[in-house]
Amino acid sequence: DTAVSQTPKYLVTQMGNDKSIKCEQNLGHDTMYWYKQDSKKFLKIMFSYNNKELIINETVPNRFSPKSPDKAHLNLHINSLELGDSAVYFCASSVQGGPGNTIYFGEGSWLTVV
Amino acid sequence: GQQLNQSPQSMFIQEGEDVSMNCTSSSIFNTWLWYKQDPGEGPVLLIALYKAGELTSNGRLTAQFGITRKDSFLNISASIPSDVGIYFCAGPLTGTASKLTFGTGTRLQVTL
Repeated sequence: DTAVSQTPKYLVTQMGNDKSIKCEQNLGHDTMYWYKQDSKKFLKIMFSYNNKELIINETVPNRFSPKSPDKAHLNLHINSLELGDSAVYFCASSVQGGPGNTIYFGEGSWLTVV
Repeated sequence: GQQLNQSPQSMFIQEGEDVSMNCTSSSIFNTWLWYKQDPGEGPVLLIALYKAGELTSNGRLTAQFGITRKDSFLNISASIPSDVGIYFCAGPLTGTASKLTFGTGTRLQVTL
């Protein structure tokens, strides 16, 4: 009965590889996000989708491509992985609109690029 | 870009002590949120504040929305070991309710 679930939780891969992280939410929310947390624990938004449409795209390299097949899923595909991509990636979801709509986070995916 | 600065950066306290931390911004926020991140987990919402001057409690936690709307404070009373974690303030940029900016975080360690 996990609200926001993402897989895999841990991923170790070599530079240059392509990898994907999957995310699903069963909360009935219409907005989903990807956040990146760096080694200093700073959380920064990468993307936001509302009803499968991209609404926020921060300055993220185009090697990162989010895909939302339906409003309950938002997957993150990363091409040509670099050492600097090592971080924790959090998927999240919320109800669109309203002040400070509560964002629910997944448990994170720990990506290590070697 | 927009940044929320939190202080202190980290705290080491003894069980039973009270804790205070704050979050400041150079811009006005209409909503302040406080999240806690346990080790190995994602952030979880603790308290939401929607009005300047508002004081809201959640158990041993109390948060305040600063009058200037550029700051917020979180207090934890009688800390216990499970309070360990990183506390983040966050707020949506004006006009973009779906885009939360997170603070730099306050790491709390509680010793017995």
